[in-house]
Amino acid sequence: AQRVTQPEKLLSVFKGAPVELKCNYSYSGSPELFWYVQYSRQRLQLLLRHISRESIKGFTADLNKGETSFHLKKPFAQEEDSAMYYCALFHTGGGNKLTFGTGTQLKVEL
Amino acid sequence: DGGITQSPKYLFRKEGQNVTLSCEQNLNHDAMYWYRQDPGQGLRLIYYSQIVNDFQKGDIAEGYSVSREKKESFPLTVTSAQKNPTAFYLCASSIRVTAGDSYEQYFGPGTRLTVT
Repeated sequence: AQRVTQPEKLLSVFKGAPVELKCNYSYSGSPELFWYVQYSRQRLQLLLRHISRESIKGFTADLNKGETSFHLKKPFAQEEDSAMYYCALFHTGGGNKLTFGTGTQLKVEL
Repeated sequence: DGGITQSPKYLFRKEGQNVTLSCEQNLNHDAMYWYRQDPGQGLRLIYYSQIVNDFQKGDIAEGYSVSREKKESFPLTVTSAQKNPTAFYLCASSIRVTAGDSYEQYFGPGTRLTVT
C-alpha cells in the first residue's frame, strides 16, 4: 500500500542555517511527489512538484528512487519559511488521489 | 473572486446531529476532495469526486456522506455515526484527475467543526 512518512513533527532551526525536511514514501508504481505548505492563517498550497524539477522560494527537492525519499531542502532558512510542510504522493491505485504525510512544523528562530 | 469557498468557518453541533459542510468552487475543476486534518495525523482523505454524479470513498469514509450534483459543489455531511467528528475539514479541487506536470490540488480555507 502507498504510504508517506515524515519522521519529524517539529524542526527548529536558526535563521541562515540549512534546512532539510525529510520525506520517505512507499509505492509500488512510478511515484509522483509534491510538497505542500501551510503558512499561519493561510490556505494549504502547493510548494513544488518533483516532476517540474523546480526551485520555489529557495526550496528544492530531489526524488531518490533508490532510497524512496523526497527530502525538501533549503540552504539558508528565512524567518518567513516558518510553516507546516506536507509531503504528498499521487497514486492511481484505487483512484487518482494524493496521500499526505503527517506533516513537519518548521520553526525558524532568529 | 475566484477559488474555493467553504462555509461556515466555525460550526458547533450537539452530539447525535447530522451536519453539512459546504464547499463551492468556481474554477471549473472536474475533481473535488474532502480531507480531515487532525494534529499529528496530517490530511486524511474522506471522499473524492472526479466527475459530476460520481464519487468514491477515501481512507476514512465511515460516518460521512457526500453528493456531487453540480460541478461546482461538493457538500460533505458528517453523520451521527461518525465517532470523532470534531476536526478541521478541508475541501480541495483540481482541474486534472490524472498525474502530470500540471497536477495540483487547490484548497479551501477549511471549516472547524466542534461536536459536544
